[in-house]
Amino acid sequence: DIQMTQSPSTLSASVGDRVTITCRASQNINSWLAWYQQKPGKGPKVLIYKASTLEIGVPARFSGSGSGTEFTLTITNLQPDDFATYYCQQYNFYSSFGQGTKVEV
Amino acid sequence: QGLLVQSGPEVKRPGSSVRLSCTTSGDTFINKAVHWVRQAPGQGLEWVGQVVPALDKVNLAEKFRGRVTITTDKTSNTVYLEMRSLRFDDTAVFYCARALGSSGWYDSWGQGALVTVSS
Repeated sequence: DIQMTQSPSTLSASVGDRVTITCRASQNINSWLAWYQQKPGKGPKVLIYKASTLEIGVPARFSGSGSGTEFTLTITNLQPDDFATYYCQQYNFYSSFGQGTKVEV
Repeated sequence: QGLLVQSGPEVKRPGSSVRLSCTTSGDTFINKAVHWVRQAPGQGLEWVGQVVPALDKVNLAEKFRGRVTITTDKTSNTVYLEMRSLRFDDTAVFYCARALGSSGWYDSWGQGALVTVSS
């Protein structure tokens, strides 16, 4: 199984901040990585796939980078709607998720 | 109405079984894969397994092999997940999600179904 490790687990930020979340894979997953946003009581919503491709309709303040084993999700100019939990997912071999990063005020 | 519609919440006793359903579109059944992901209360996302309905090809995460079965009904475009020998720590919201293949990112999710294991 491919293990995904996210950091930090919690991130305190303010509106307008730039935040970065890191995801590391236990082995090379090329660019087969997606990022999701989840709000309380809701299912996840994809933001980025193939490490850096923005899903249609997702604001451009979200961006992803990386390949191999290390990846980042960056949110520039954090908006009130962005306070949520974020997960990375590898899909190089079936699927597995990072443990999540909660972005809070 | 979403692309994937799940069955409702369940309350089960320890040791019993639960069967969840996920009804999709015909396009999903022909061209995509359906995965199951669970989330325990206050916890992260955990991949359970997946099926490519067109091929009836199923893969399960190692920890669920022998306890989980994923099946399909092509007449109703429905995917089923059955989990047996339920334990208290199986209490979770179970989501079905659509992916391009057996390995893929999820472009659509069901609304989730809460399974509560309680005595």
